[in-house]
Amino acid sequence: ETGVTQTPRHLVMGMTNKKSLKCEQHLGHNAMYWYKQSAKKPLELMFVYSLEERVENNSVPSRFSPECPNSSHLFLHLHTLQPEDSALYLCASSLNRGLSEAFFGQGTRLTVV
Amino acid sequence: EDKVVQSPLSLVVHEGDTVTLNCSYEVTNFRSLLWYKQEKKAPTFLFMLTSSGIEKKSGRLSSILDKKELFSILNITATQTGDSAIYLCAVQPTQGGSEKLVFGKGTKLTVNP
Repeated sequence: ETGVTQTPRHLVMGMTNKKSLKCEQHLGHNAMYWYKQSAKKPLELMFVYSLEERVENNSVPSRFSPECPNSSHLFLHLHTLQPEDSALYLCASSLNRGLSEAFFGQGTRLTVV
Repeated sequence: EDKVVQSPLSLVVHEGDTVTLNCSYEVTNFRSLLWYKQEKKAPTFLFMLTSSGIEKKSGRLSSILDKKELFSILNITATQTGDSAIYLCAVQPTQGGSEKLVFGKGTKLTVNP
């Protein structure tokens, strides 16, 4: 247990569905991240939030919409996804934007059919 | 473009063997290099390296950074089946305070009994 909790652990959705991924941490961290891990590819950073403010958006398609209502919670809203969006979505948090390691959640395995 | 290359991509050894995993990088304004172990889903933090030539050690695992030659190695001595995992290397560039991590594809280590 890293202290970062993601739900659901598995999700199968159709291309016309709308769903949300949830991430929660009670480590007192101020920065939270969404990463995408596809087969045979490096982890890709999607979004960075620091103190609930989005500070980075790595050219992610608008069908992925993040939300950070407070420093402990992070959501990734999904709509009209494509089969190639099937991947492991990992949430992470770190103490601050300085020199500190990130703690990862268990991830959500997403399959788009 | 920032890049991290890990080698080998996969490795199969027997219990008791010693392994060395490699990570080379190209990054603008290097800040740190991190090693993670990913067994099922959540990558777990192993080491953070910022200075050349200073070995970090945790039990049977150790790591060192060479900022001149732009690489790091992760050593595992007396391997056990529980060491089987994907080992991820990531570098953190300095980009206006961003916590962005650039990951390699990972090395999949399999330790057979």
